[in-house]
Amino acid sequence: GESVGLHLPTLSVQEGDNSIINCAYSNSASDYFIWYKQESGKGPQFIIDIRSNMDKRQGQRVTVLLNKTVKHLSLQIAATQPGDSAVYFCADLNDMRFGAGTRLTVKP
Amino acid sequence: DTGVSQDPRHKITKRGQNVTFRCDPISEHNRLYWYRQTLGQGPEFLTYFQNEAQLEKSRLLSDRFSAERPKGSFSTLEIQRTEQGDSAMYLCASSRRISGYTDTQYFGPGTRLTVL
Repeated sequence: GESVGLHLPTLSVQEGDNSIINCAYSNSASDYFIWYKQESGKGPQFIIDIRSNMDKRQGQRVTVLLNKTVKHLSLQIAATQPGDSAVYFCADLNDMRFGAGTRLTVKP
Repeated sequence: DTGVSQDPRHKITKRGQNVTFRCDPISEHNRLYWYRQTLGQGPEFLTYFQNEAQLEKSRLLSDRFSAERPKGSFSTLEIQRTEQGDSAMYLCASSRRISGYTDTQYFGPGTRLTVL
């Protein structure tokens, strides 16, 4: 069946560096994706979204890129801070399926 | 705080008991979703409502799971005859339906269930 998945389970970066988290999806008909951040013991927190009529969307320190040809999206975090340490999920909101998540650890 | 709220935040129960969780969505949101999240995994969709109508329930995990939203506001998720495998975080999300667009879902803090 269709699935949403992430390429790497963990990512460790130095404070101030840029972080890139990747996600692959399978449903070519999906047209809406969200990146969520989840801290320990809390619910997922909306970070940024993108619809299929866009290739790129920018927020504050975050950028999401969508490549529909290869069914891939990525989350870029600029100047990563210790407060960015969390698990990041991509979600296909058409199928309501989430990836397993990538744990981002920021080293001071 | 006008976000999604869930109650209780933690629930410990013995195997075979029934449990019920409550979710209060963001006030202007007409859609409400339930998910289950096990350790190290992403949320797993269970069911959702638009107003009081349950539009999707084929992904409820078994017939022991049921959900209601009788007045189109808060919702309850009930698990009957709990099993140890039901131990997980149960998440609720809500959204405002905009015709022609897939909705943005906002999550509550979750209810952590432990079945002994």
